Amino acid sequence: GEDVEQSLFLSVREGDSSVINCTYTDSSSTYLYWYKQEPGAGLQLLTYIFSNMDMKQDQRLTVLLNKKDKHLSLRIADTQTGDSAIYFCAERGSNDYKLSFGAGTTVTVRA
Amino acid sequence: DAGVIQSPRHEVTEMGQEVTLRCKPISGHNSLFWYRQTMMRGLELLIYFNNNVPIDDSGMPEDRFSAKMPNASFSTLKIQPSEPRDSAVYFCASSLGGAGLAKNIQYFGAGTRLSVL
Repeated sequence: GEDVEQSLFLSVREGDSSVINCTYTDSSSTYLYWYKQEPGAGLQLLTYIFSNMDMKQDQRLTVLLNKKDKHLSLRIADTQTGDSAIYFCAERGSNDYKLSFGAGTTVTVRA
Repeated sequence: DAGVIQSPRHEVTEMGQEVTLRCKPISGHNSLFWYRQTMMRGLELLIYFNNNVPIDDSGMPEDRFSAKMPNASFSTLKIQPSEPRDSAVYFCASSLGGAGLAKNIQYFGAGTRLSVL
């Protein structure tokens, strides 16, 4: 089975950068995703990366993928209070429909 | 598009009662997923439908749980009889399906928070 691991908590000061890390074990993982869950809400897709990419940038979000180490990170530049949420890393094989989720990282933005 | 719509948003019931959760996927999506989220287990996939047909129900915890998808725009998850340990947030998600990255992005509903007393 697939295992996706994340640190559980991250506290960051408003305006600083946040870096959320994720490791996965399935070497056949082809698609990797970051979802955001705000309190009382569902999961919202933030960004995704294909396994043949090393980096993807989308406005304040930067995803870095180290396929050799099976390590994925999400960097949020200029973190705002609205970024306080739980962030889930997820992976999926190329011919698979299942998403394997990490436990989620709770990001708290302090003033 | 309105996104994935789930109802009710909150459900409080007593042990032994039947509970029915409802989901309307995004129009045109042919894959539908039911998840359960708890503090202890995180997000668990319960069942996956493709073109209204259950493909994988290996995540359904017990016979007390059943899911149906009578048509492309509606699915239900039923728990009968409900137990306190079923208390969780239940999410429905849908995707276009098929090969390729974009078509397999799962879009989630807002969830149903179930409390079984």
